[in-house]
Amino acid sequence: AQSVAQPEDQVNVAEGNPLTVKCTYSVSGNPYLFWYVQYPNRGLQFLLKYITGDNLVKGSYGFEAEFNKSQTSFHLKKPSALVSDSALYFCAVRGLRAAGNKLTFGGGTRVLVKP
Amino acid sequence: KAGVTQTPRYLIKTRGQQVTLSCSPISGHRSVSWYQQTPGQGLQFLFEYFSETQRNKGNFPGRFSGRQFSNSRSEMNVSTLELGDSALYLCASSLPGTPNNEQFFGPGTRLTVL
Repeated sequence: AQSVAQPEDQVNVAEGNPLTVKCTYSVSGNPYLFWYVQYPNRGLQFLLKYITGDNLVKGSYGFEAEFNKSQTSFHLKKPSALVSDSALYFCAVRGLRAAGNKLTFGGGTRVLVKP
Repeated sequence: KAGVTQTPRYLIKTRGQQVTLSCSPISGHRSVSWYQQTPGQGLQFLFEYFSETQRNKGNFPGRFSGRQFSNSRSEMNVSTLELGDSALYLCASSLPGTPNNEQFFGPGTRLTVL
């Protein structure tokens, strides 16, 4: 079985400050890891993914994430947050050996960036 | 390239009715997955279709079913609606082949059961 934990329901940060959204996962074997963002009344938008290779992954809109195998974590980061980054963020995992494309999502973290 | 489209965007039904939701994937994408999003349960996987065959199924009752057509368009059906079926239903498509391909999500269908 695979699972994802996002320990913070909400993260508040001032505009211009660094933003971190935490994610830990559990999966058999090597993972495929994804971050998605959801704006109000919209579907999920893909931000970035980790497949293999470099532990630091760069994605859309200035976001990046660091894969840490020993800590089974995949935290999302942005060096300087914008008010427009306020949204709901989801971490997701798929096991390398899993059949098909089923994603298991974390519970989501709401990010509020204040001007 | 057009994104994933879902129709209708909003639905209001009453308990006991049935509903059919439609999803058109991105051109060339043959894998279509469905997810249910609720405030209490978060995002939960319903099922996945690939080349008209169900490849994966989540832990939902048999009232939830789906199918995929030869043009990769997919429908899901919920019969005997319950209040707890009120949710945002998201469809996602991805390229066939390797499972490391990201999924692209549609805007969702918001179902309200009264």
